[in-house]
Amino acid sequence: DIQLTQSPSFLSASVGDRVTITCRASLGITSDLAWYQQKPGKAPNLLIYAASTLQSGVPSRFSGSGSGTEFTLTISSLQPEDFATYYCQQFKSYPLAFGPGTKVDIK
Amino acid sequence: EVLLVESGGGLVQPGGSLRLSCVVSGFTLSDHYMDWVRQAPGKGLEWVGRTRYKASSYTTEYAASVKGRFTISRDDSKNSVYLQMNSLRTEDTAVYYCTSGVFVPYYFAYWGQGTLVTVSS
Repeated sequence: DIQLTQSPSFLSASVGDRVTITCRASLGITSDLAWYQQKPGKAPNLLIYAASTLQSGVPSRFSGSGSGTEFTLTISSLQPEDFATYYCQQFKSYPLAFGPGTKVDIK
Repeated sequence: EVLLVESGGGLVQPGGSLRLSCVVSGFTLSDHYMDWVRQAPGKGLEWVGRTRYKASSYTTEYAASVKGRFTISRDDSKNSVYLQMNSLRTEDTAVYYCTSGVFVPYYFAYWGQGTLVTVSS
């Protein structure tokens, strides 16, 4: 099975900050990776798929990069509505594992 | 508008069974994979399983933690997907979401609101 790790687990940042979250896969997954944002009590929201494709309707301050085993999600200028938990997920092979999440909190 | 609406959650004793339903609208169910994802209270997301579309003979995949206990089925004529959960354990307590890519095939672009399953005596 492919395992995903995320770093950091927790991130404290201010509005306007540039934020980067890393997701690492235990095996190469080419570009078969997605990023989600989840707010408390809500379903996850797809931000990025195929490692770097921005989902329709998602603000352009979100971007994704990487391939193989290392991926990043970048928020270029953190906004108040971006405080949430972020998950990566691989789609290369079953089981379709999620990373453990990164909580982005207000500094 | 794409909508996914889950139902069927509730309180069940360990060892018991429950069937969750997901009714979809806004797209043709037979053309799309459907997945179930769960989230235990205060924990991260866990993929539960998948049913492929008609063209792939509705084959299924499951997480190891539920394989042999949970079964995913679908009735395209009713725009519905089901998660039959047997031999439930306390660790199956979670919010269960149905999800699908629809216009973003294979990825999870659309989600239901979730339904809470509590396994407790």
